[in-house]
Amino acid sequence: GNSVTQMEGPVTLSEEAFLTINCTYTATGYPSLFWYVQYPGEGLQLLLKATKADDKGSNKGFEATYRKETTSFHLEKGSVQVSDSAVYFCALSDSGTYKYIFGTGTRLKVLA
Amino acid sequence: DSGVTQTPKHLITATGQRVTLRCSPRSGDLSVYWYQQSLDQGLQFLIQYYNGEERAKGNILERFSAQQFPDLHSELNLSSLELGDSALYFCASSPRLESTEAFFGQGTRLTVV
Repeated sequence: GNSVTQMEGPVTLSEEAFLTINCTYTATGYPSLFWYVQYPGEGLQLLLKATKADDKGSNKGFEATYRKETTSFHLEKGSVQVSDSAVYFCALSDSGTYKYIFGTGTRLKVLA
Repeated sequence: DSGVTQTPKHLITATGQRVTLRCSPRSGDLSVYWYQQSLDQGLQFLIQYYNGEERAKGNILERFSAQQFPDLHSELNLSSLELGDSALYFCASSPRLESTEAFFGQGTRLTVV
């Protein structure tokens, strides 16, 4: 079945450091891919998405490119801020039911 | 604000009890999804409704049930609650069955004591 694998956390970075959170997927067909963010005590917010191969999603300085050849959708940000501290979830939209399949989440902590 | 409203935000109840979680989707959205977020299982899909009909089922326990009403709001009923049911329950909605993007509510945090 479809699945999403994310790098284990927590990830601790200093402010202005470069961020990469790895995400790979297994899926039949061509799913849409998403990154969601969950700030402490809050719900899930869509960070960015990509619906087909080679699409790049971007938002708030975060970027991820849909790589079909490596089945990856890694999240990157050039310079993180303390306010980016949160849990990040990679997800795919199942092409049959359109339900989301989530990775386990990666906790990011950014230190001032 | 995603436009999806979940009530209540927090719920504390005892083992063996029954609770109902409510979700109002975004205006016009026909599809509603329920997810459970727990420490040991992560974020898991429970069930999907579309325009009042059940469309897909995930890892939903038999003690749990859901429905979607004619006004498109949805309720998730959890009965014979156990300590392990303590989790954050999310509702999400999307406009159509084939919509790839869903919008999530803030969740209901259920604590079973």
